[in-house]
Amino acid sequence: GIQVEQSPPDLILQEGANSTLRCNFSDSVNNLQWFHQNPWGQLINLFYIPSGTKQNGRLSATTVATERYSLLYISSSQTTDSGVYFCAVATATDKLIFGTGTRLQVFP
Amino acid sequence: NAGVTQTPKFRILKIGQSMTLQCAQDMNHNYMYWYRQDPGMGLKLIYYSVGAGITDKGEVPNGYNVSRSTTEDFPLRLELAAPSQTSVYFCASSFQGGQAFFGQGTRLTVV
Repeated sequence: GIQVEQSPPDLILQEGANSTLRCNFSDSVNNLQWFHQNPWGQLINLFYIPSGTKQNGRLSATTVATERYSLLYISSSQTTDSGVYFCAVATATDKLIFGTGTRLQVFP
Repeated sequence: NAGVTQTPKFRILKIGQSMTLQCAQDMNHNYMYWYRQDPGMGLKLIYYSVGAGITDKGEVPNGYNVSRSTTEDFPLRLELAAPSQTSVYFCASSFQGGQAFFGQGTRLTVV
């Protein structure tokens, strides 16, 4: 099956810093999504981004489907950005497969 | 709209017991998914459905069963619970495989 790897696995930042999270996938996909799991376990959809670039406030994402990767940028990080960030890819058979995750901790 | 609703939120089962985790969505989504998340780990796909009457296995289907008789509901059945099924279970839905929305999760402990 498809492999979805995220890097780095862990990231520690001070408030105000910027960061880039990466998602690599091993096969062609129909679409890609980014999620944030907050410290209480809730999963929030950040971006639906099969290709190209999208921005939402301090967050932006870019997917280069032909090269099988996606990037999530977080600028001016805040403590509320802490949690785990997952990418998920939709395969040709409609499975939605999650990546390994990046755990982000933002300190004041 | 309530979105994706999972019940119960917490459950303790004894080894060998069975139970059904309920998932309902009111967004008229045709795609629905079940995942499990073990402590400190990522989400693994158990089963998914692209419409009423259609279900398919995900990455970790053993020990589970599903049915999809209506668009709104997608129950997950655990038969003969085992300690290895202790996990947090998430249900999600989307329209045509687009942006997915998750329920709050069910925390299951098998003792």
